[in-house]
Amino acid sequence: RKEVEQDPGPFNVPEGATVAFNCTYSNSASQSFFWYRQDCRKEPKLLMSVYSSGNEDGRFTAQLNRASQYISLLIRDSKLSDSATYLCVVNPPSGGYQKVTFGTGTKLQVIP
Amino acid sequence: GAVVSQHPSRVICKSGTSVKIECRSLDFQATTMFWYRQFPKQSLMLMATSNEGSKATYEQGVEKDKFLINHASLTLSTLTVTSAHPEDSSFYICSAREMGPTGGRLPNEKLFFGSGTQLSVL
Repeated sequence: RKEVEQDPGPFNVPEGATVAFNCTYSNSASQSFFWYRQDCRKEPKLLMSVYSSGNEDGRFTAQLNRASQYISLLIRDSKLSDSATYLCVVNPPSGGYQKVTFGTGTKLQVIP
Repeated sequence: GAVVSQHPSRVICKSGTSVKIECRSLDFQATTMFWYRQFPKQSLMLMATSNEGSKATYEQGVEKDKFLINHASLTLSTLTVTSAHPEDSSFYICSAREMGPTGGRLPNEKLFFGSGTQLSVL
């Protein structure tokens, strides 16, 4: 099983739609979780952290389910500008120089 | 947020030459930096983990003699692609995570990315 798994998509959705991505992780001791957004030929940029209690930032909602070892990202009222690849990032347990693990990314295409 | 500066942003070079890419954390200290490579329409692939003051840890399949990493200070890591060939053409990105005040890990620490280097080897 991969350390972090994401559905690569692409998810093609119309403007205004609600879309959700999941990301599963294998290390139950993972410490913290994030969603990043990457546009074509650009560096990934932090979209939001993911907290156990769930957190919302405008049209974006992130949730963590430790029991089932997955995180999710919900985007409401999709905009054309939301088209990008969304990467989930999992931080290892604290201690040592363990590497951060990226999912392969889920590509979202919002269609007019 | 924290800033990671990566230079150059674009390099075009002849086959056989060496190319150095710099990654600097501008307003924080980074004990650990990561180097990634990304081919068109593919995901980020971790090449190596660069640790300040010690040898880099390379991922399986990445040639350490071809991709030389130096992390001489808490704010600078360099990646040198030696004897570059056309198949090395790719988008190279560095990232860094901030060190805690006592030199350890920070809770919920985030990765900060450089803006990437597009390498084209002719």
